[in-house]
Amino acid sequence: DGGITQSPKYLFRKEGQNVTLSCEQNLNHDAMYWYRQDPGQGLRLIYYSQIVNDFQKGDIAEGYSVSREKKESFPLTVTSAQKNPTAFYLCASSVGTDTQYFGPGTRLTVL
Amino acid sequence: GIQVEQSPPDLILQEGANSTLRCNFSDSVNNLQWFHQNPWGQLINLFYIPSGTKQNGRLSATTVATERYSLLYISSSQTTDSGVYFCAVGGASGGSYIPTFGRGTSLIVHP
Repeated sequence: DGGITQSPKYLFRKEGQNVTLSCEQNLNHDAMYWYRQDPGQGLRLIYYSQIVNDFQKGDIAEGYSVSREKKESFPLTVTSAQKNPTAFYLCASSVGTDTQYFGPGTRLTVL
Repeated sequence: GIQVEQSPPDLILQEGANSTLRCNFSDSVNNLQWFHQNPWGQLINLFYIPSGTKQNGRLSATTVATERYSLLYISSSQTTDSGVYFCAVGGASGGSYIPTFGRGTSLIVHP
């Protein structure tokens, strides 16, 4: 089946640690996105990538980093510089300016 | 950037009732989507509707781009319709679809 997978489903991080969230798609989409969702809020864009080896900052990129070495993969690293990382993280992909498809999300909690 | 306002923020219905959710946006857009986020966090695309009217079963949507609003209609609501409904609007920025999400309408349908 074609789709987007995210792992892990739940992630716990200690203060000062970097953690990496995985996002993989087999939809052959060029564009991929990372969003953060806080309780009762909408989605805020962290980073997006239109093509392999290229990515752009979104509205809340500080404390996060990404890479796009393969078309299928767009991992997100939450660094120790992110002061309030506890949130629900969603990855999406799209072809051109058309419909976005979302993965199931990763819930990150800082201990 | 584009401002997106959704109303009402919360909605409680009895099973079988009809409802209308509204999305207002502040600028011209090339793309508009409606999503349903289920209680487990998964976002499902309901409609890609930058203009015009579409219907899918008990759901339908209308976008009047010239007046900068979109409406999502839910008829004969069911408990499985519960969740949060998001409107996302955007335009092509360098060829990529960069949507701005509203804060959502939280819907609870009671049996």
